[in-house]
Amino acid sequence: KQEVTQIPAALSVPEGENLVLNCSFTDSAIYNLQWFRQDPGKGLTSLLLIQSSQREQTSGRLNASLDKSSGRSTLYIAASQPGDSATYLCAVNGNDMRFGAGTRLTVKP
Amino acid sequence: EAGVAQSPRYKIIEKRQSVAFWCNPISGHATLYWYQQILGQGPKLLIQFQNNGVVDDSQLPKDRFSAERLKGVDSTLKIQPAKLEDSAVYLCASSLELGENQPQHFGDGTRLSIL
Repeated sequence: KQEVTQIPAALSVPEGENLVLNCSFTDSAIYNLQWFRQDPGKGLTSLLLIQSSQREQTSGRLNASLDKSSGRSTLYIAASQPGDSATYLCAVNGNDMRFGAGTRLTVKP
Repeated sequence: EAGVAQSPRYKIIEKRQSVAFWCNPISGHATLYWYQQILGQGPKLLIQFQNNGVVDDSQLPKDRFSAERLKGVDSTLKIQPAKLEDSAVYLCASSLELGENQPQHFGDGTRLSIL
């Protein structure tokens, strides 16, 4: 059974810092890994999807990497802004979609 | 493009009562998902439809939960009777078609509180 873990559970940084969010999973037999953003009281917004054959994906200030063999993914956010404050969830798509519990990010002005 | 619509946004009921949630996916999306998100956790898949057929309902508590998508468009999720542990946000998502690399688009969810 796939288990997805996200560390840290919460993170607070000053504006402008670069930061890394971590996601680990136990079963490397996956189709893809996806990073989502969730704002309070809202649904999930897809940020990046990395297929199992890919090593990384980039969108603007976001870069996600995937190391399938070690069961790890990182989400790198450059030059963080207060508007980046949200919960970030990773989801691993194998036999089904399994989510981590998320990292709650606060970027202070 | 209109997103995934869900209603109601909030629902408060007493335990042992019944409740139903409604989801209208993005137009043309064949695949529809219902997730349960308990506070502080990631979403957990309850059921997945491809058009009006069930693809996966292995994590749906079938003794109290039911879902249907009769015409392959809108879907309803019902809980009867509700228990305290059913308090959660129920998210609906849709994707264009069934496939491992199809991105899912989420609605804002229905927040259910059981008293």
